[in-house]
Amino acid sequence: KQEVTQIPAALSVPEGENLVLNCSFTDSAIYNLQWFRQDPGKGLTSLLLIQSSQREQTSGRLNASLDKSSGRSTLYIAASQPGDSATYLCAVRGNTDKLIFGTGTRLQVFP
Amino acid sequence: SAVISQKPSRDICQRGTSLTIQCQVDSQVTMMFWYRQQPGQSLTLIATANQGSEATYESGFVIDKFPISRPNLTFSTLTVSNMSPEDSSIYLCSVEGTGFNYGYTFGSGTRLTVV
Repeated sequence: KQEVTQIPAALSVPEGENLVLNCSFTDSAIYNLQWFRQDPGKGLTSLLLIQSSQREQTSGRLNASLDKSSGRSTLYIAASQPGDSATYLCAVRGNTDKLIFGTGTRLQVFP
Repeated sequence: SAVISQKPSRDICQRGTSLTIQCQVDSQVTMMFWYRQQPGQSLTLIATANQGSEATYESGFVIDKFPISRPNLTFSTLTVSNMSPEDSSIYLCSVEGTGFNYGYTFGSGTRLTVV
């Protein structure tokens, strides 16, 4: 059974810092991995999608990497801003159509 | 990627009543997914809804409690029946995009409080 874990569970940093959020999964037979952002009480916004054949994806200040063999993905946020404050979720899709979500990292960036 | 309209965005309901949540997608999709997010927790899949067939429920979720309709390829509803305070959660619908570089898209969520 696939299990997805995210570390750290919470993070509080001053504005401008570069951040690394970690996601690990137990079954390396994944189809893809997706990073989401969730603001309090809201839905999910997709940030980056990495296919199993890819090593990384970039969008603006965000970079996500995938090491499928070791069951890890990282989300790198450059030059963090207060507007980045949210919960970040990773989710893996296996051979079925279902997404398995991680436990989330709650990020606070203060001015 | 698809755009999903979900409503209501929030509701406060009395215990013992039912609430129906609607999701409308701007394109035809084969499967729609319904998730629950309990306070402080991550997302858990409730069921997968295919057009023209009964929904497939995950372990721990039953049709009598969470009946789902899927009348066409762009619309689905989830009903939370006979609610109790333990049903207070955010409920979200989702679809998977088509093509190699499209992942899952989510509705804006329904924040349900049962009193």
